[in-house]
Amino acid sequence: QQQVKQSPQSLIVQKGGISIINCAYENTAFDYFPWYQQFPGKGPALLIAIRPDVSEKKEGRFTISFNKSAKQFSLHIMDSQPGDSATYFCAASALGGANNLFFGTGTRLTVIP
Amino acid sequence: DGGITQSPKYLFRKEGQNVTLSCEQNLNHDAMYWYRQDPGQGLRLIYYSQIVNDFQKGDIAEGYSVSREKKESFPLTVTSAQKNPTAFYLCASRGRDRNYGYTFGSGTRLTVV
Repeated sequence: QQQVKQSPQSLIVQKGGISIINCAYENTAFDYFPWYQQFPGKGPALLIAIRPDVSEKKEGRFTISFNKSAKQFSLHIMDSQPGDSATYFCAASALGGANNLFFGTGTRLTVIP
Repeated sequence: DGGITQSPKYLFRKEGQNVTLSCEQNLNHDAMYWYRQDPGQGLRLIYYSQIVNDFQKGDIAEGYSVSREKKESFPLTVTSAQKNPTAFYLCASRGRDRNYGYTFGSGTRLTVV
């Protein structure tokens, strides 16, 4: 059972456009929601993360929007650039227990010039 | 610089052979993880360890084994029982400060020849 559901599987955006990737979860114990960026042949790198006490977090062109009641969160990439072309993973974890991250299935973003 | 080092970057295995992938971290992180990534796919958890001399099976542990004799090291052995081992293997670690999520290594690409 997929703990975190991610969509779309792939996304093509024009340079300068907005890329939006969505994730949903069921476990209300989740309290940490990071996004990872992975380039081909490399390991994922932490991009930005949010906790449920805020509805939005922005770092440069990257913004996480969080809707606690809907149990959804999304990544917005403003002014998308060809260098943003990568696979993006959302994830979630809960305090306590094994404290492991549950990953979404990934979104392959292609930004065309 | 602190980080996670995976070696080798590329590994070739003959049918029926066991191979060991190395993962070393100098981040003083307690928890370490092994993931498998198939082309165009997400991250699947193989094994994880929260503390030295203890480890737990993930979602796809069959055909794999691990050890955690030192805090810094978490090697993964792909045994001959793993029928389809060709994949990209990622090691990760996590400190007690959950605000920083996982740190990933750069991966090992294993190919059966």
